[in-house]
Amino acid sequence: DQQVKQNSPSLSVQEGRISILNCDYTNSMFDYFLWYKKYPAEGPTFLISISSIKDKNEDGRFTVFLNKSAKHLSLHIVPSQPGDSAVYFCAATQSGAGSYQLTFGKGTKLSVIP
Amino acid sequence: EPEVTQTPSHQVTQMGQEVILRCVPISNHLYFYWYRQILGQKVEFLVSFYNNEISEKSEIFDDQFSVERPDGSNFTLKIRSTKLEDSAMYFCASSLGTSLRNEQFFGPGTRLTVL
Repeated sequence: DQQVKQNSPSLSVQEGRISILNCDYTNSMFDYFLWYKKYPAEGPTFLISISSIKDKNEDGRFTVFLNKSAKHLSLHIVPSQPGDSAVYFCAATQSGAGSYQLTFGKGTKLSVIP
Repeated sequence: EPEVTQTPSHQVTQMGQEVILRCVPISNHLYFYWYRQILGQKVEFLVSFYNNEISEKSEIFDDQFSVERPDGSNFTLKIRSTKLEDSAMYFCASSLGTSLRNEQFFGPGTRLTVL
């Protein structure tokens, strides 16, 4: 039961270019979405989030876009840097229903090539 | 910067033994969570805890699992009788838990190996 799907297990991008990581969800009750970054031997680190009342949220080099009708969100990193190389997890929650559990995708491993 | 800490970083145990995984959440956070990640699989929610009681739990969190906040700082996950399939990374997380901002801050994880 994959309510949150990240269909690309890996992505390679040249330093300085844009990285686009995609995520799809099936549960229409999700109303808050988050991206986490994970380095080996560390826990997931919160990166950026977006509420379902918005379609875009920007924080420095990171922008998350939400297309509710398509149940799709994406994370844009521009410009990409070698330190961005990590596994990126998309997560979703039904905060409006008082639930705080995060449902994660399987992750996309981003490699930024110098 | 405040962070979630977990101990031990790696726990090896024999099948059938009890284990306790420990976490110290961020001090002003109100909600606490346990997640696990079996090797090669996604991070899965186990349980959330608020106001000294479980607020949500998943199907994975059966009678073999329990959580406790024994004092003002620690948050523990106990597995009563470990099985081979309990081998995983266990992540503790905490959050302020307001309705619109639900950033959960994760600890570095405890790798549990059941032999």
